[in-house]
Amino acid sequence: QLQLQESGPGLVKPSETLSLTCTVSGGSISSSSYYWGWIRQPPGKGLEWIGSIYYSGSTYYNPSLKSRVTISVDTSKNQFSLKLSSVTAADTAVYYCARHSRVAGTLDYWGQGTLVTVSS
Amino acid sequence: DIQMTQSPSSLSASVGDRVTITCQASQDISNYLNWYQQKPGKAPKLLIYDASNLETGVPSRFSGSGSGTDFTFTISSLQPEDIATYYCQQYDNLPPEHTFGQGTKLEIK
Repeated sequence: QLQLQESGPGLVKPSETLSLTCTVSGGSISSSSYYWGWIRQPPGKGLEWIGSIYYSGSTYYNPSLKSRVTISVDTSKNQFSLKLSSVTAADTAVYYCARHSRVAGTLDYWGQGTLVTVSS
Repeated sequence: DIQMTQSPSSLSASVGDRVTITCQASQDISNYLNWYQQKPGKAPKLLIYDASNLETGVPSRFSGSGSGTDFTFTISSLQPEDIATYYCQQYDNLPPEHTFGQGTKLEIK
């Protein structure tokens, strides 16, 4: 059974960089059929796609966040990571990692999510 | 960018009721439309893919329809365990990009 697990600091100061890692177990991140993505959800609000990465390293970002986002992959560790720079309180959210099909875009496996709070 | 308009934002219904949620795309998205259920404190769960296909293991009371710009999600007979927020999601694969609807919070009357 595929499992995804987010990890990283739960508190980040304004103007600093948020860094999270997603560890994939029970399957290979190097599958040619899937992308690996980050989605966030501010408290009490809806879902926002941040970006996705292919095992080769090709990345795709939400245009509204593109200038601040970097997603990378480490196939040797079966992990992918998110960096979001210059954070503000508006970036406070539950951050999810997920797998999605290259064709249908179905987000079929999700991590449990991790709350990141931006505060001094 | 494609915008997704989901309605209603909230809905109250009784057990056994038929419940319908709609999602409208700002341009033709063919059938690249998926539906998710999210319970409080949990990650979203895929229910319907490609507008009308039921994900494995999902009860048959859930269904989806539509193509182009107008889509519908239906629960044929509402059960207490269906209380959740439901999201539509559009997917563009050239390049990969996801857009979610605003969500519909479903409550028991």
